[in-house]
Order: sequence, then C-alpha cells, then structure tokens
Amino acid sequence: DGGITQSPKYLFRKEGQNVTLSCEQNLNHDAMYWYRQDPGQGLRLIYYSQIVNDFQKGDIAEGYSVSREKKESFPLTVTSAQKNPTAFYLCASSIQVRSSYNEQFFGPGTRLTVL
Amino acid sequence: GIQVEQSPPDLILQEGANSTLRCNFSDSVNNLQWFHQNPWGQLINLFYIPSGTKQNGRLSATTVATERYSLLYISSSQTTDSGVYFCAVASTSGTYKYIFGTGTRLKVLA
Repeated sequence: DGGITQSPKYLFRKEGQNVTLSCEQNLNHDAMYWYRQDPGQGLRLIYYSQIVNDFQKGDIAEGYSVSREKKESFPLTVTSAQKNPTAFYLCASSIQVRSSYNEQFFGPGTRLTVL
Repeated sequence: GIQVEQSPPDLILQEGANSTLRCNFSDSVNNLQWFHQNPWGQLINLFYIPSGTKQNGRLSATTVATERYSLLYISSSQTTDSGVYFCAVASTSGTYKYIFGTGTRLKVLA
C-alpha cells in the first residue's frame, strides 16, 4: 500500500519538553510538508522540503525544526520555544514543489496536547 | 500573498439535497485542490483542478482560473458527506506553496 504514515496518533507533552513527530511516505515523492491546524481553522505551512538535505521555512516556522536525511522521512520537532504547541499536525507529500503539477497527499495527522 | 476565501462558512442540509461550495482566490494559480476533512481529521483528496471541470460520482468541481474562483458541487447529499471542505491554491507568482482557505463546515441531517 502506498501512502503517508504519521506517528504517534496522539501525543501529550509537558511544558518545556521537546517532542518529535514522525512522517514517512512510500510514494517516491521528492517534496514533503508539515502543516499545523488549530480548531476551526485552515491549515498553515510550518516547513517544507523539496529534496533530501534541503528544507525551507513556511509561514509559521518559529519554535519548530525539521530534518530530511532520507527521501521517505521528514520528522518534525516541536521545541519548548513554541509558545502554543497544542494543535493537530498534518504531514503531506507531492511529486515536486516547483511544478505545474503539484498534487499533495496527506497523512492521518498527530494530535499534540501540552499539559 | 495570495488570499483564499471560502463560502459559505457553515452549511446544514437535509439528506438528498444539493449544494454548491465556493472558493475565491486573489491571484493567478497553477495548482488548486479540494479536500474533505472527515471527523477523524483525515484530509481526503477530492479534486486536483487548476482549471476546467471534473466529476467523480455525486461530486463535481469547476475552476474558472481567469475569474479566480472554483466551485464544488455536491448532489444528493448523504450523512457521510458531513465534515469540512477545504480549498487550497498555489500561486504562479511566488514560492508555489499551497495556501488553504478556512473551510466550509457541512452537516447533512438524516
């Protein structure tokens, strides 16, 4: 089955702790993305990566970090510097970012709650 | 940057009714998608439609890129159609990143 997996499904964190959210895809896509969704809102882009060992900040990158060591994996770390981290986090992938065809596909998401 | 507006923000229908959801955008786009977010949060791809018309069962979509809007039609609605419908666009100018609208929340009553 080709697709995008995210883990864990639910994550609870104490204030001051860093946590890492996992995202894996087996679609052979070059581009991967992290979005944040707050209740009743649309999605906002945190970071994206066009290729291995390269990534760019999105609209709300402060307090987050990413790595892209493998094509299949794009983990997101929510650091203690993120002031309001409780949210639903969605990972996506597409063939390429800078393309006339850029259809994105999404994973099931991780719900992060800060206690 | 590009602005995306969806209307209506909320919609309640009786099962079997038809509806039209609208997405307006403020700049030229070369990518446009419609998604359905189910109650568990999963975003399901409905249409990739930067221009033209597509149909998939009871759903169809039309994008008029020159007039900067897209429409999603739902016919003979079912309770399983409930959820949030998002439009997302990527502009031809700038960084090709997708911008999401705030969604239309649809509830279909049995």
